[in-house]
Amino acid sequence: NAGVTQTPKFRVLKTGQSMTLLCAQDMNHEYMYWYRQDPGMGLRLIHYSVGEGTTAKGEVPDGYNVSRLKKQNFLLGLESAAPSQTSVYFCASRKLDGGPEQYFGPGTRLTVT
Amino acid sequence: GDSVTQMEGPVTLSEEAFLTINCTYTATGYPSLFWYVQYPGEGLQLLLKATKADDKGSNKGFEATYRKETTSFHLEKGSVQVSDSAVYFCALRVSGGSYIPTFGRGTSLIVHP
Repeated sequence: NAGVTQTPKFRVLKTGQSMTLLCAQDMNHEYMYWYRQDPGMGLRLIHYSVGEGTTAKGEVPDGYNVSRLKKQNFLLGLESAAPSQTSVYFCASRKLDGGPEQYFGPGTRLTVT
Repeated sequence: GDSVTQMEGPVTLSEEAFLTINCTYTATGYPSLFWYVQYPGEGLQLLLKATKADDKGSNKGFEATYRKETTSFHLEKGSVQVSDSAVYFCALRVSGGSYIPTFGRGTSLIVHP
């Protein structure tokens, strides 16, 4: 099993450009999450999903949209990137009736200039 | 609401020194407790967990005991190695339907040869 994978690993955007980050998991997990990690701020939850076709806002959802059309994929979109969105983005997943822990992807480092 | 407080870092130690990273929590219900480790350039991975009071989680020489009376889950290792240099996150999740775990801000550990 590949676990949780993220695409791309690195990206540089100009202000105003758009992009989509892809998270994929092959563990048949129901729950998926998007976090951003900034120095001194720890992990902050952007959006999450409790199942295919459902999404919900986390702590810092502004400027981001998400979609969960397939159970194994969770997409994070930036419609108009801003320098404040420069960060490392992590995806995570968890099984509904498994252990309480999450499984994390390797991260995407995004720089907005 | 739920919260996790970790000691601020960085924690700098020499190889073979004893490690303690403090973690205390507040929770609205009965939590499961976790320590995650993030090695440089990687995502978080579960280090250990405990799901009920007085349980001890252990892995790779690290240990933490779930202390309900002091609402603590301190991470310890008897003899650290350079390869333990990483960021350590304490986290909790309250059982009974909560989808979202709560993370501390992380503690950076630097081990010198």
